[in-house]
Amino acid sequence: DVKVTQSSRYLVKRTGEKVFLECVQDMDHENMFWYRQDPGLGLRLIYFSYDVKMKEKGDIPEGYSVSREKKERFSLILESASTNQTSMYLCASSIGRDEQYFGPGTRLTVT
Amino acid sequence: EDKVVQSPLSLVVHEGDTVTLNCSYEVTNFRSLLWYKQEKKAPTFLFMLTSSGIEKKSGRLSSILDKKELFSILNITATQTGDSAIYLCAVAGWQGAQKLVFGQGTRLTINP
Repeated sequence: DVKVTQSSRYLVKRTGEKVFLECVQDMDHENMFWYRQDPGLGLRLIYFSYDVKMKEKGDIPEGYSVSREKKERFSLILESASTNQTSMYLCASSIGRDEQYFGPGTRLTVT
Repeated sequence: EDKVVQSPLSLVVHEGDTVTLNCSYEVTNFRSLLWYKQEKKAPTFLFMLTSSGIEKKSGRLSSILDKKELFSILNITATQTGDSAIYLCAVAGWQGAQKLVFGQGTRLTINP
């Protein structure tokens, strides 16, 4: 079974803090994705990566950056957290254009 | 711009009822449409559809794609309280990056 893990289930941070969300997959997938999920808006793609050290902007990259130094790990960075970044963050991985496998999510609250 | 619209956004039914969830899409060079179920955690994969008119089935769940009219439906028969979840529809195209475009989701609540 594919396993995608995320470093925290719940996180509370203050405005202006730098926040790191970590995602690890154990199935040697080349593609990894970061989404945020908000009520009524569904899942929106922040960034994705199809290889180590490669990254592409998704639909809402502003205020975020990413890092992929190893194939199994994809990190999302909030350089200076703001209250409008309070959300559920989901990481996913896939092979080619097949289905994506999701992690359990990190519910981030920025106060 | 690729787009996915799901309806209804919310649905409440009684246990034993049959429900139909809808997903319409616009995507450049369609490749596949996927359905996911999300309870209180990670979305889990249900179906991937690539061909029109071929029903995919798993127990009480089934789904079909209409590539001419650009929509898909997800049917759940004899619903159970464990079917309560958000159901997500997503599409993928052949062009560009290997990413999915998701709809808003349908929140389904099954009352005993």
